[in-house]
Amino acid sequence: DIVMTQSPDSLAVALGERATINCKCSQSVLYRSNNKNYLAWYQQKPGQPPKLLIYWASTRESGVPDRFSGSGSGTDFTLTISSLQAEDVAVYYCQQYYSVPPTFGQGTKVEIK
Amino acid sequence: EVQLVESGGGLVQPGGSLRLSCAASGFTFSSHWMSWVRQAPGKGLEWVANIKQDGSEKYYVDSVKGRFTLSRDNAKNSLYLQMNSLRAEDTAVYYCARDGSDWFFDLWGRGTLVTVSS
Repeated sequence: DIVMTQSPDSLAVALGERATINCKCSQSVLYRSNNKNYLAWYQQKPGQPPKLLIYWASTRESGVPDRFSGSGSGTDFTLTISSLQAEDVAVYYCQQYYSVPPTFGQGTKVEIK
Repeated sequence: EVQLVESGGGLVQPGGSLRLSCAASGFTFSSHWMSWVRQAPGKGLEWVANIKQDGSEKYYVDSVKGRFTLSRDNAKNSLYLQMNSLRAEDTAVYYCARDGSDWFFDLWGRGTLVTVSS
């Protein structure tokens, strides 16, 4: 199974500042035949189900604000919130869908400083 | 409205069985792979199983193989998870999720809580 490791486990960022979450995969999730990274990001607010933010490592889901962006390739990926808003307080998960079973990172909790 | 609604959760003793259901609406259910993802209390997300559009392929996480069975009824727009030989470590909120164009999850239900305890 591909192990997904996120860092940090939690971070506190001031409103309007940048938040950066890292995700490292135990093996590459880049499929060379189509040059796509099989990596997604989710946001989960308290008491709610997860919500898809990003797929193919950098494609924003419809309706997701453009302050959310994904980058990276191979084994190392980043989710960036360019200007943190109060409604962005949540736990964020990365997920690989390169191989079975699909696996998630342990989550990163984002709070307001 | 596009939505998934889970049902069937509850309290069950170790070794017992439970059947979860997921009712889909607002989209063409038969066009999508479907998954179950669970979340133990205070913990992260764990994919459990998924099923192809026509039910011809199914995949399970190792920890539930031989105990859980996934099925679907496209005529009823419904997904089912039969859970047997339940263990304390199966305690979690179980989410029904729609697979996107590949095995990421673009639509989630609100979940149903399964508690395995004596």
